[in-house]
Amino acid sequence: EAGVTQFPSHSVIEKGQTVTLRCDPISGHDNLYWYRRVMGKEIKFLLHFVKESKQDESGMPNNRFLAERTGGTYSTLKVQPAELEDSGVYFCASSQAGTVLLSGANVLTFGAGSRLTVL
Amino acid sequence: AQRVTQPEKLLSVFKGAPVELKCNYSYSGSPELFWYVQYSRQRLQLLLRHISRESIKGFTADLNKGETSFHLKKPFAQEEDSAMYYCALSNAGNNRKLIWGLGTSLAVNP
Repeated sequence: EAGVTQFPSHSVIEKGQTVTLRCDPISGHDNLYWYRRVMGKEIKFLLHFVKESKQDESGMPNNRFLAERTGGTYSTLKVQPAELEDSGVYFCASSQAGTVLLSGANVLTFGAGSRLTVL
Repeated sequence: AQRVTQPEKLLSVFKGAPVELKCNYSYSGSPELFWYVQYSRQRLQLLLRHISRESIKGFTADLNKGETSFHLKKPFAQEEDSAMYYCALSNAGNNRKLIWGLGTSLAVNP
């Protein structure tokens, strides 16, 4: 089974530029999450998709961040325009639907992360 | 406020020694607690979840609601246990939004 794939693994851009990060979840996983780790701080939740719908986007920092999930498959996270404080590692994770009692359900599988450096 | 606290940034032990990675939380409601691990050059992966009540790679963690703790323990550390360990919690519903601790880097020395 292919895991969660993220692209690019590392992106270096200048302040003011645009970057789009992509996440391909495990096939069949309805839940898709974006998290971010800024250096020296905790990993923070950004948002949660269930299929193509945004279930919770309370963690999105501001309107420079736009996340989409086309057809409930892959997801993109666009930062436009990027600022210095956006630098960090962006993790994507997916999980299958189901209740807590269902083995494997709601257990997150993470991608390798996309490291964003804004200069 | 909802929070996960891992008081130790670094923990260094010798092979064969017991290890305990501390995790305390504050949360209103019924949280589900997790330990995630990231080995060098690998992805974040689930190590333990409190509802499973199982031992993985010799590690155990017991949820203590009175002390709001979920410490990770292993009686005899191995060199391959060296990694970054994260404690996290989520609500017990279907939302898997995780709240994370800062992580503890465990170094097991030969």
